[in-house]
Amino acid sequence: DGGITQSPKYLFRKEGQNVTLSCEQNLNHDAMYWYRQDPGQGLRLIYYSQIVNDFQKGDIAEGYSVSREKKESFPLTVTSAQKNPTAFYLCASSFDTSYEQYFGPGTRLTVT
Amino acid sequence: DQQVKQNSPSLSVQEGRISILNCDYTNSMFDYFLWYKKYPAEGPTFLISISSIKDKNEDGRFTVFLNKSAKHLSLHIVPSQPGDSAVYFCAATRVYSGAGSYQLTFGKGTKLSVIP
Repeated sequence: DGGITQSPKYLFRKEGQNVTLSCEQNLNHDAMYWYRQDPGQGLRLIYYSQIVNDFQKGDIAEGYSVSREKKESFPLTVTSAQKNPTAFYLCASSFDTSYEQYFGPGTRLTVT
Repeated sequence: DQQVKQNSPSLSVQEGRISILNCDYTNSMFDYFLWYKKYPAEGPTFLISISSIKDKNEDGRFTVFLNKSAKHLSLHIVPSQPGDSAVYFCAATRVYSGAGSYQLTFGKGTKLSVIP
């Protein structure tokens, strides 16, 4: 059953701690993306990766870091430098020749 | 600077009637447009798309219209059903030269409520 998994669904952290959000896909997609959604806002691109061991900053990369060591996995680390980390985080993937991105179920991160 | 705008945050429609969701864009380089549907606490799911070489694309109850000169697109849902109640996002992208991923620029979304 192909798809994108994000874990956990809900995550709570204390301010000042780094936290890593997981994203795994078994769709054999080349490209992967991380978005952030805030209430009443659209999806804003944090980072994206077209191939293994390569990634690019999106519109709001400050305070975040990523890695792409495997085609299937694209974890996102929310660092303590991110000023407003509480949000709904969405991972997506696509073939590198396709406009259509497939999204995971999301992780809601709450930092207090 | 918002390049993709959905000016109606919400829309209510009676079941069986037509729902029309609108989207405007400012970047004339955009040449491919997508609509996504999103339920609360879930990821968006792809609904329908249109290339700038077309002005209409249909898929069952869903039709997307593109007016390039006005930089405007709309999603029509006919007939509307209660299960269509969700947030609808418009997204746009442009073709990159060579291989690579396509970055989507999303609007803020329109919450559609279909009343039984």
